[in-house]
Amino acid sequence: AQSVTQPDIHITVSEGASLELRCNYSYGATPYLFWYVQSPGQGLQLLLKYFSGDTLVQGIKGFEAEFKRSQSSFNLRKPSVHWSDAAEYFCAVAIYGNKLVFGAGTILRVKS
Amino acid sequence: ETGVTQTPRHLVMGMTNKKSLKCEQHLGHNAMYWYKQSAKKPLELMFVYNFKEQTENNSVPSRFSPECPNSSHLFLHLHTLQPEDSALYLCASSLASDNEQFFGPGTRLTVL
Repeated sequence: AQSVTQPDIHITVSEGASLELRCNYSYGATPYLFWYVQSPGQGLQLLLKYFSGDTLVQGIKGFEAEFKRSQSSFNLRKPSVHWSDAAEYFCAVAIYGNKLVFGAGTILRVKS
Repeated sequence: ETGVTQTPRHLVMGMTNKKSLKCEQHLGHNAMYWYKQSAKKPLELMFVYNFKEQTENNSVPSRFSPECPNSSHLFLHLHTLQPEDSALYLCASSLASDNEQFFGPGTRLTVL
């Protein structure tokens, strides 16, 4: 069955430090992959998506992600984290039709 | 209003009450979704509507009854809920031909 694993439940980084959030997926075909962010009390906002082509995709708010087929991974990165990036981050894979399967999320804490 | 809106934002109900959640999208989309987000669990897809027709019911108990009168509006009718149904209920929309979903802010439901 299709699944998405985000191994880190919580991550804490210092403001200005670099960030990498891990995501591994299990899906037989070429995946469509997404990263969403959720601030407290809010819905999910799309950060970036990968459908095909260049395996390094750029998103909003200075985020990027790299698709690595050999590792079944789609890790999210940001070179310098801001306090406003503190939120919960979800990786998702699109399966048949327009159905998304989400990971359990990673809560990012930013310390000043 | 822009994007995806949900009302009410917060709802407290007893187990014998009947209430409804409302979702409206202003994006010209033709697919709409209900998700349940519980603490410490991945986002769970509940229902999918494409062109007002229900195309997915993810084994949701019958005490949750969706309604999609047109492509812009989606309701979730609730009756005889259980305390374990307390959660954040998120609505999303997309083009039926697209995997990119846009989320509303959610309704925080508490069942007493």
